[in-house]
Amino acid sequence: GEDVEQSLFLSVREGDSSVINCTYTDSSSTYLYWYKQEPGAGLQLLTYIFSNMDMKQDQRLTVLLNKKDKHLSLRIADTQTGDSAIYFCAERGNSDMRFGAGTRLTVKP
Amino acid sequence: KAGVTQTPRYLIKTRGQQVTLSCSPISGHRSVSWYQQTPGQGLQFLFEYFSETQRNKGNFPGRFSGRQFSNSRSEMNVSTLELGDSALYLCASSLGLRSGNTIYFGEGSWLTVV
Repeated sequence: GEDVEQSLFLSVREGDSSVINCTYTDSSSTYLYWYKQEPGAGLQLLTYIFSNMDMKQDQRLTVLLNKKDKHLSLRIADTQTGDSAIYFCAERGNSDMRFGAGTRLTVKP
Repeated sequence: KAGVTQTPRYLIKTRGQQVTLSCSPISGHRSVSWYQQTPGQGLQFLFEYFSETQRNKGNFPGRFSGRQFSNSRSEMNVSTLELGDSALYLCASSLGLRSGNTIYFGEGSWLTVV
């Protein structure tokens, strides 16, 4: 199976919170990332967290890391229609960066 | 500061041809990596270059190759194109190879093989 796993779809109503979950397997990963991809575009770095942290907040974004369970989540507060995109979780250990399959977030008005 | 720039943005090739894609990293970044994105396989790592040397390579056939120049600009080449090579090819740059060096992506080159 994949090294990084994410659920494929998430649908929320505008104004609600979105929580996108991710699990990874490489215990040597020291940095974990969240990227956003809008249609026809490349990947935009949203935020990242160092493995010795368990939480990082950046405006509407909150990243939670449970290193014991190798579980990472991205919470988007007050989700807007402009947040509709594919969100990728990624880990980087000692070599290449490994991505999940991406979670397609749909925000309904 | 300019981001990662990829050219061309869109191209159409026929089976059997070869293609070269170009990437200019963010100024000061010395590491360039390439990824292939397809609906079926997701994002797959192709290779990574640092100081003109290939440092890591993904699981792709030898038809896929790359190089990096002294100014850190990089090119990737795909020879004998197959229909399955149709994909978005993403280039990314970072300061170096350490896991703490954040990777920034370009907008990608859309390749269609017919």
